[in-house]
Amino acid sequence: AQSVTQLDSQVPVFEEAPVELRCNYSSSVSVYLFWYVQYPNQGLQLLLKYLSGSTLVESINGFEAEFNKSQTSFHLRKPSVHISDTAEYFCAVSYNFNKFYFGSGTKLNVKP
Amino acid sequence: SAVISQKPSRDICQRGTSLTIQCQVDSQVTMMFWYRQQPGQSLTLIATANQGSEATYESGFVIDKFPISRPNLTFSTLTVSNMSPEDSSIYLCSVEHNEQFFGPGTRLTVL
Repeated sequence: AQSVTQLDSQVPVFEEAPVELRCNYSSSVSVYLFWYVQYPNQGLQLLLKYLSGSTLVESINGFEAEFNKSQTSFHLRKPSVHISDTAEYFCAVSYNFNKFYFGSGTKLNVKP
Repeated sequence: SAVISQKPSRDICQRGTSLTIQCQVDSQVTMMFWYRQQPGQSLTLIATANQGSEATYESGFVIDKFPISRPNLTFSTLTVSNMSPEDSSIYLCSVEHNEQFFGPGTRLTVL
């Protein structure tokens, strides 16, 4: 069975500060890893994903995540956040692109 | 990409009634998925809906409570039956179309 743990339910941070949102997973099989973002009053959007190859993946808006197999982690980072990054972020795993297992989410609150 | 719409976007219902949520996709997809996001919790897969066959339910979810229809490759409905306050959640439709896309969700409040 797969499970995803996001230890931080809320992360407050000041604008232009760096941020890391933690995600750990457990799985008995190889999985694909995803980060989704949910802006206020909007649906889930894919932020980035790890399928294979380079363990460091990047999004178009400056976020990156690194797959660490030994630590079973896929932490999301951004060196300098903006007010517009305020949203809830969900880590997810899937082994077949059909069933997704989500973490409990981390609310990122960027303050001016 | 796939654009997904859901109706209604939100509803407030009385205990014991049923609500049918519609999900429409702008492209043909083989599988559609229904998720539930309870307050303060993560998304949980309810069932997978394939066109032309019975939906496949995850552990803890049953057809009598959450009947699903999948009449064609772009549409599905989820009914929340005999509702109780514990059914208050956001219900999301999702499809796999080169990546996983999610609808905007239906926010259900049961009084």
